[in-house]
Parts: sequence; structure tokens; C-alpha cells
Amino acid sequence: AQRVTQPEKLLSVFKGAPVELKCNYSYSGSPELFWYVQYSRQRLQLLLRHISRESIKGFTADLNKGETSFHLKKPFAQEEDSAMYYCALSGSGNTPLVFGKGTRLSVIA
Amino acid sequence: KAGVTQTPRYLIKTRGQQVTLSCSPISGHRSVSWYQQTPGQGLQFLFEYFSETQRNKGNFPGRFSGRQFSNSRSEMNVSTLELGDSALYLCASGAQYSNEQFFGPGTRLTVL
Repeated sequence: AQRVTQPEKLLSVFKGAPVELKCNYSYSGSPELFWYVQYSRQRLQLLLRHISRESIKGFTADLNKGETSFHLKKPFAQEEDSAMYYCALSGSGNTPLVFGKGTRLSVIA
Repeated sequence: KAGVTQTPRYLIKTRGQQVTLSCSPISGHRSVSWYQQTPGQGLQFLFEYFSETQRNKGNFPGRFSGRQFSNSRSEMNVSTLELGDSALYLCASGAQYSNEQFFGPGTRLTVL
């Protein structure tokens, strides 16, 4: 069964500090991992996906198959990064996205 | 390209009633998925439709049902509403051969 775990419900950091949002997954095959973000009063939107290996808004995430993790990182947090972040996994074939319960990031000025 | 749209945006119902929510996907997208979002449980998958056929189903009771029309628009129905059904219901559409989901703004359902 597919499972995504985000151990932190809430993460508070000061502006300019590094940020790491943790995501661990459970899946027997080769997954596709995503990070979605939901800013206040906005719809859920894709932030990045592991296959693109991009840096979006200064965020990066590396898939670590050995540790089954896909942590989201940013070296210097900005106030506009405050939002709800969801890690999601898609398995092979036409399987639905499975989401973690989300981590609320609060960046304090 | 217009994004995913959902109607209505807000609904208030009482226990025992039924409700129908509507979703229009991005033009060209044939896959539509529905999720229930609550503060305690996050996003939980309800079901997915592709070309008018239910392709995947989550672990929700039979009171939750859906359908998809030939123009890819989808509806979700919840019968015999319970207080616990109060949630934000999100619809997402996806292109063929892609796992990326594009989300609508959601329908906020409140059951009194």
C-alpha cells in the first residue's frame, strides 16, 4: 500500500533561516513524488516534482530511495513561503495521488 | 487556458439531505479526481474518472458517488449527509500520460 508521512503538523522558522519539510513514503515500486503548496485563500498548486529536478521559488527536493524520503528544503525562508505544504506520491500505472496530511509552514519576520 | 472550476463554492445543508457538486476540468483533460480535505485528515482521495469510467476509488462509503460526462465535466453526489461530511471538496484534473494534478478552488460543504 502507498503511504506518505509528514511528521510535522506545524513548522515555525524565522525569516532568513533554513527550512526543511520532511516527507517519508512507503511504496514497493518506483514512485513519482510531488510537493504541492496551498497559500492562504488560494488553490492547491504543484510546487515541484522529483522527476523535473527543478528549483522552484528557491525550494529543492531530492528523492532518497534508500531512506524513502523526499524532504523539501530552502536555504533562506521568506515570509511569503508561509503556507500549507503537502507531499504526494503516485505509483505506477493509473494509481491516484496519495497525499500526506500536510505541514503548515509559518515564517516569522 | 482556463483552470479547473467548481460550483457551487459554498453549500450549507442539514443532516439527511443530499448534495451534488460540479467540476469542470481544464480543456483537454480527461481525468477528473475528487478529494475531501479536512483539518484533521488532510486530503483523502474519493474517486477518479477517466473517459466517463470510474478508474479508481478511495475508501469512502457508498453514500459518496460520482460520474463523468462525455465533455469530461464531473459531478459528485453525497446522499444522507452526516455532520462529519463537512469539508472542503476538491476536484482535480489531469492530462493523459501525466500524474500531475491541477486543482480547483473547492466547494466548502457545511452540514448542520
